[in-house]
Amino acid sequence: DTAVSQTPKYLVTQMGNDKSIKCEQNLGHDTMYWYKQDSKKFLKIMFSYNNKELIINETVPNRFSPKSPDKAHLNLHINSLELGDSAVYFCASSPEFSTDTQYFGPGTRLTVL
Amino acid sequence: GENVEQHPSTLSVQEGDSAVIKCTYSDSASNYFPWYKQELGKRPQLIIDIRSNVGEKKDQRIAVTLNKTAKHFSLHITETQPEDSAVYFCAASHQAGTALIFGKGTTLSVSS
Repeated sequence: DTAVSQTPKYLVTQMGNDKSIKCEQNLGHDTMYWYKQDSKKFLKIMFSYNNKELIINETVPNRFSPKSPDKAHLNLHINSLELGDSAVYFCASSPEFSTDTQYFGPGTRLTVL
Repeated sequence: GENVEQHPSTLSVQEGDSAVIKCTYSDSASNYFPWYKQELGKRPQLIIDIRSNVGEKKDQRIAVTLNKTAKHFSLHITETQPEDSAVYFCAASHQAGTALIFGKGTTLSVSS
């Protein structure tokens, strides 16, 4: 009965590699998000999709590319990984945009060596 | 854009005491103010939220107050228990297509 799931849970990779994180929600929500949580625990919005359309792109380097094949999935692809990309990445979903409860996935801890 | 300030960054209380965390926001158009709790190694989870047409909301030991004029809102936890120990985040947004902006978090430690 997992509501928002992410894979993988842990990702360890070398600088310069390309990696993807997958997110799926089975709540029937229209909106999905990607957040980055750095080592100081600061939660920052990266992207938001509503009905498969990009709504928010918050000054994220274009090495990060979200893709939403359908309403239930929002994947994150990262090219040319850098040390500063090391963080926990959370996917979330909500019934409506912004002013509704957001349900977070378990997070993906990315470590770039 | 919206900016949310949260204080204190750390808070230590004895079991049974009350804890108060305060947030201020900058965008007067913001009208939705949720609070999330994140336990160590876990995902953030909503614990309570308030909308701008309400001044106070309570759910058992947790309450949130909102002062729109002063643009600040607070989380109150009464009769704290060790399981309340976590990082608490406030956030703000409004319906005009903006993101949920989080404060920097408060690490609450409840000692027994």
